Amino acid sequence: QSALTQPASVSGSPGQSITISCTGTSSDVGSYNLVSWYQQHPGKAPKLMIYEVSQRPSGVSNRFSGSKSGYTASLTISGLQAEDEADYYCSSYEAGGTVVFGGGTKLTVL
Amino acid sequence: QVQLQQSGPGLVKPSQTLSLTCAISGDSVSSNRAAWNWIRQSPSRGLEWLGRTYYRSKWYNDYAVSVKSRITINPDTSKNQFSLQLNSVTPEDTAVYYCARDQGEVATIGFDYWGQGSLVTVSS
Repeated sequence: QSALTQPASVSGSPGQSITISCTGTSSDVGSYNLVSWYQQHPGKAPKLMIYEVSQRPSGVSNRFSGSKSGYTASLTISGLQAEDEADYYCSSYEAGGTVVFGGGTKLTVL
Repeated sequence: QVQLQQSGPGLVKPSQTLSLTCAISGDSVSSNRAAWNWIRQSPSRGLEWLGRTYYRSKWYNDYAVSVKSRITINPDTSKNQFSLQLNSVTPEDTAVYYCARDQGEVATIGFDYWGQGSLVTVSS
C-alpha cells in the first residue's frame, strides 16, 4: 500500500488550465478505472470531485475533468478561479479490496 | 441528503483503545449499494484509508494492512451507525478521523459523503 505520487504543488493564473498528475502501479491505477479526486479547503472535509477516473458527481463544475493513461491519472481544472485554491488528493482502489491515497497537491491561484 | 455525524473522545492515552462512532441519516448502514469507511489525516501521513464495512447479503470488512492487527469496524443496525475501534494506540495515531460513504457495489469508486472529522490526540 504505497501512496500514489502527486506533485507537491502546482499554480496557475485565473482563467488558465492546470493539470495534476497521480502516478500509481500495476496494483492500483494501472489495473482499475477506479481513481477518484478530492478537493480539500483548510479545516474542511475532502469533497469528491471526480470518481471512476472521469465521472463528475452532481453539482461539480464541468471545469473539472479526469483522465487516465497507463499508471498515471490526471485531474484538469480549466478556467481557474480563486475558489479553486485548495489541496487536491487522488485515490485508487487496489488489489485486495483496499484503497490508497496520493500525498496531495497544493494548488495556488496566482 | 445523506449526513454522517461523528462522535467520540478527542483524547486517548497511549496503549489504550480509540473509539469513534458515525451516525448515518439519509441512508442505511445495511444498504446493498454502499460501503462505510474510516479515513484519517495527519500532517505526517496525509490521507490514509483505514477500512470499511458493507452488507451484501452478509457483512464484510476490509482493512488497511498498516492497521489490520489493531482495527475493528462494526455496523450497528439498530442505531443505523458504524464504529471504529483502534487498539494499542501510540502518538503516531494522532490524526483527524473521518467516516465516509462509498457507493461502489463491490469496489470503492469514490467517497461521496464525509463526516465532519474528529481530531483524536494520543497523549498521556
